[in-house]
Amino acid sequence: SAVISQKPSRDICQRGTSLTIQCQVDSQVTMMFWYRQQPGQSLTLIATANQGSEATYESGFVIDKFPISRPNLTFSTLTVSNMSPEDSSIYLCSVEGAGGPRETQYFGPGTRLLVL
Amino acid sequence: SQKIEQNSEALNIQEGKTATLTCNYTNYSPAYLQWYRQDPGRGPVFLLLIRENEKEKRKERLKVTFDTTLKQSLFHITASQPADSATYLCALDQDSNYQLIWGAGTKLIIKP
Repeated sequence: SAVISQKPSRDICQRGTSLTIQCQVDSQVTMMFWYRQQPGQSLTLIATANQGSEATYESGFVIDKFPISRPNLTFSTLTVSNMSPEDSSIYLCSVEGAGGPRETQYFGPGTRLLVL
Repeated sequence: SQKIEQNSEALNIQEGKTATLTCNYTNYSPAYLQWYRQDPGRGPVFLLLIRENEKEKRKERLKVTFDTTLKQSLFHITASQPADSATYLCALDQDSNYQLIWGAGTKLIIKP
C-alpha cells in the first residue's frame, strides 16, 4: 500500500484568496486523483492527474478554478482559486493500488478547508 | 444515472454483536465493489474488494457479500468493538473508465 501525506491538514481562508494543497506519495504512481468531500456527502472526483499530461477534469470542475500540477510521479498540487464559502470542504488526494484504480485507491489524510 | 445508496442514519450496535451495513446500487453492473472505512478528519482506508463473480469475501472479522441480482452488497463486522466505530463507504467501479462511484457512507457506532 502507498503512504500519502497532504499539506496543509487544515486551513481557514478569506474569500477571494487561493490555497494550494500538496500531495506527496512514498512511491511512484501513474494516476493521482483529487476529490472533494462535503459534510455528509459522498466523495466527488474533481480531476485525475497523470504525470506529463494535463489533468482531466470532471463535469462541474474547471482548470481555472482548480488548477493542478503533476511535476513527477510522487507529487501533485491542487489549487483552489478565488475561494468562496461554497468551497469549504475536505479535499483528498488518492492514488491507485497495484491492481489499478478500479480495484483499490489509497487516500491521503485530507485537507479541511473553511472559507469565510 | 448510476446511483449508490447507503443508510444515511447512524447504526447503533451493542459491543460484541454483529453489525451489518447495506450498499444498494441501480442502473449499472459493476465489476468490483469496495468497502472503505473513514474516521473523522481522515481519508478513507481501503478494507475489502469483492468481484462480480464472488459471492462472499472475508477478512478477519469482516465479511462482504455481493448479490448482483439484488444489486446489493452487505458488509458485516462480527464481534464488534467500540474501535470499529467509524463511517463505512462503499464504492463501485464504472466499467467504462477508471472512476469509482461512491456512496455517502453509513456511520456505525458501537456502544460498550
